[in-house]
Amino acid sequence: DAMVIQNPRYQVTQFGKPVTLSCSQTLNHNVMYWYQQKSSQAPKLLFHYYDKDFNNEADTPDNFQSRRPNTSFCFLDIRSPGLGDAAMYLCATSRAGTGETQYFGPGTRLLVL
Amino acid sequence: GENVEQHPSTLSVQEGDSAVIKCTYSDSASNYFPWYKQELGKGPQLIIDIRSNVGEKKDQRIAVTLNKTAKHFSLHITETQPEDSAVYFCAAKGAAGNKLTFGGGTRVLVKP
Repeated sequence: DAMVIQNPRYQVTQFGKPVTLSCSQTLNHNVMYWYQQKSSQAPKLLFHYYDKDFNNEADTPDNFQSRRPNTSFCFLDIRSPGLGDAAMYLCATSRAGTGETQYFGPGTRLLVL
Repeated sequence: GENVEQHPSTLSVQEGDSAVIKCTYSDSASNYFPWYKQELGKGPQLIIDIRSNVGEKKDQRIAVTLNKTAKHFSLHITETQPEDSAVYFCAAKGAAGNKLTFGGGTRVLVKP
């Protein structure tokens, strides 16, 4: 089945130790998004790629970076995780131009020790 | 920018009763309104969506209504079941760009 896959599902890192979360999709969608979600809150958009064009949200900290090496994969890099970065990180995809529906992956829960 | 407000924040209903969640949006140019269901520890799953050229859409026990004049849309779940218990998010997308603006979420509890 076509889907959005996130690995790992759970990630534990140490304060200040760089961490990378990955997302892949078999939907062949040209837009990929990264969201941060803290408990009981709505997902907060960090940035998105429209094809290879990177679009950063104005309030996304510089500590968060992203890479999209090809259509199928997108990575979220947290350069120096702080305790406040512990959250669920959600990847989503959509196909621009033919529909706006965003499809979410299962998320990666990040714990910072 | 777009602002979406969602009410209520929590909703407890008896199994078999109906549940209604309401959202208002601020940008009159918004043209796409999805609803997501999120179960504990999982990603949001699209359950129904509506576009601005439609006033109502139904899928089995779930329906969404849109009032463009008043800038509000609602989710209706009939004959609720315990598996409907989850957090529900509404969202709106403006006429330009790809971004969704989410409401604050509604935690629904269906009591057996």
